[in-house]
Amino acid sequence: TQLLEQSPQFLSIQEGENLTVYCNSSSVFSSLQWYRQEPGEGPVLLVTVVTGGEVKKLKRLTFQFGDARKDSSLHITAAQPGDTGLYLCAGAGGFLGSGGYQKVTFGTGTKLQVIP
Amino acid sequence: NAGVTQTPKFQVLKTGQSMTLQCAQDMNHEYMSWYRQDPGMGLRLIHYSVGAGITDQGEVPNGYNVSRSTTEDFPLRLLSAAPSQTSVYFCASREQLPTDTQYFGPGTRLTVL
Repeated sequence: TQLLEQSPQFLSIQEGENLTVYCNSSSVFSSLQWYRQEPGEGPVLLVTVVTGGEVKKLKRLTFQFGDARKDSSLHITAAQPGDTGLYLCAGAGGFLGSGGYQKVTFGTGTKLQVIP
Repeated sequence: NAGVTQTPKFQVLKTGQSMTLQCAQDMNHEYMSWYRQDPGMGLRLIHYSVGAGITDQGEVPNGYNVSRSTTEDFPLRLLSAAPSQTSVYFCASREQLPTDTQYFGPGTRLTVL
């Protein structure tokens, strides 16, 4: 069974601070995605990383895929209240059934609150 | 272009009742899926479909049925609701490779008394 552990589970910080969220597994993934979910809504994809060691930047958010493709991190610089939400990592690896549907395992989530 | 729509937004059921959660997408994606989200457990796959007429079980399928008669619609049926099915349910439509992006609906919050 593939598991994705996220840490920390909860994070409450002041506006302007930096933070890092971690996503760890003992399994290797072919790709890893980060989603953000706001209350009462579904998750929205932020980024997909595919290559071991890959780093992607999305404005103040920096995503890194571990060299061994088992872990990932999300770093936010100068957090803003608009960054508040639940951050989910999701690893893709292996296939379900015979229809080519790639299995996606979701992490347990990190709930971020940025206080103005 | 509405993306993925789900109805209802909220539902309260009594133990033993049945109901259908509706899901529709307008992106012409072949792949669709249903997840449930519970605190501390992430999103867990209930059922998925790789095209009209083709469905299969995910990680937690017991107590749920699905069908896929068209590309657009993928309803989830609760056969006999139990308190353990209290959860938030998300339908997702999935763009295949290379992006492999999942587009989620707004969710249905279900409470079973």
